[in-house]
Amino acid sequence: EVQLVESGGGLVQPGASLKLSCVASGFTFSDYWMSWVRQTPGKTMEWIGDIKYDGSYTNYAPSLKNRFTISRDNAKSTLYLQMSNVRSEDTATYYCTRGLTPIGTTADYFDYWGQGVMVTVSS
Amino acid sequence: DIQMTQSPASLSASLGETVTIECLASEDIYDILAWYQQKPGKSPQLLIYDASSLHTGVPSRFSGSGSGTQYSLKINSLQPEDFASYYCQNGLSAPNTFGAGTKLELK
Repeated sequence: EVQLVESGGGLVQPGASLKLSCVASGFTFSDYWMSWVRQTPGKTMEWIGDIKYDGSYTNYAPSLKNRFTISRDNAKSTLYLQMSNVRSEDTATYYCTRGLTPIGTTADYFDYWGQGVMVTVSS
Repeated sequence: DIQMTQSPASLSASLGETVTIECLASEDIYDILAWYQQKPGKSPQLLIYDASSLHTGVPSRFSGSGSGTQYSLKINSLQPEDFASYYCQNGLSAPNTFGAGTKLELK
């Protein structure tokens, strides 16, 4: 059974840094593009970015590129999202997602989602 | 960025009815479009990809169609478990933008 389990969320002050993790199981992690998607309290869905199955390429939403970094450790089947200089508008539920196609050219669709981890940015 | 305009924002329907949700892309996305269902307190689930391909395990009462910039999700014979929110998503190019969502409620 495919499972994606996020952790690392919580209450954080504006300007701080935070690192989210997503541990994957039930599939060959190193075969899949992985992405982060967030959903605001108002239910707006926003794609954050993705990372190629071998970790050699990343892609980001332009508005987040300078503050967010996606990485992965295939030996640990773990995906990461490093968030820096967080703002109140980063308050959201963050989802780890798997790309639909193994060894694909991109992560165009998301066939598995984690349960989500809440990040609240507030002083 | 490709903008995805989804309509309606909310929809009220009865059990057994057929409903259609629309999604308009700001440019041609060549059928690289997905639909997701999200139930309250749960993660989104992939329903349809490539505009009309049903994902594994998704009931056949769900169908997708469209081309170019205009796409739609049709749900036939609404079941109790279908009352949820639905989102379209551009898969053609980054950033992979989502529609604002449609909340389907029981009349």
